[in-house]
Amino acid sequence: DVVLTQTPPTLSATIGQSVSISCRSSQSLLHSNGNTYLHWLLQRPGQSPQLLIYLVSRLESGVPNRFSGSGSGTDFTLKISGVEAEDLGVYYCVQGTHAPWTFGGGTKLELK
Amino acid sequence: QVTLKESGPGILQPSHTLSLTCSFSGFSLSTYGMGVSWIRQPSGKGLEWLASIWWNGNTYNNPSLKSRLTVSKDTSNNQAFLKVTSVDTADTATYYCAHTRGWAYFDYWGQGVMVTVSS
Repeated sequence: DVVLTQTPPTLSATIGQSVSISCRSSQSLLHSNGNTYLHWLLQRPGQSPQLLIYLVSRLESGVPNRFSGSGSGTDFTLKISGVEAEDLGVYYCVQGTHAPWTFGGGTKLELK
Repeated sequence: QVTLKESGPGILQPSHTLSLTCSFSGFSLSTYGMGVSWIRQPSGKGLEWLASIWWNGNTYNNPSLKSRLTVSKDTSNNQAFLKVTSVDTADTATYYCAHTRGWAYFDYWGQGVMVTVSS
């Protein structure tokens, strides 16, 4: 199975600070069809996960543009440009290129 | 507007079969490209994809659960189902169903249903 390693496991930030989360894959996530099925989710405390970014860098409808995704192959990054209070929670990357689909271990974003 | 809601037994005994229902609205599982996936999360831990069913009836299961999983759908009633056989305490988790628009592209999630396996 593909292992997704997220770093850091915990991230402390102040409101307005820009932060980045890394997701590193044990195999390339570039599919033979040319797509890279790497997506990002946020799970706020006590809530279900919600999709933020799909296909590495595409912003899901309704998601603020302070969120951005980048990367290719095995290395991917989620950036938040100016953390807001509503951004606190656990961020997960997930891959759909290789079966079975797998999630990263999560990065908890908390207030400093 | 897409909504999904899971329902299940809450608690069941080891070795029994877990049956979960995902009732949804805002899309049809007979429409090309649509899918419903099941994902679970033990308390305080990460997410695990279990299985998906697609508009054409194709299903994909996580082999880590071997042959314990069965997914099915009732298109006319807008429901999807998950069965997990021979449960044990390691199956205790919150189970989510999610609208799936592509590979691991979970764009709408249910609120989750907590399942406890205990004797």
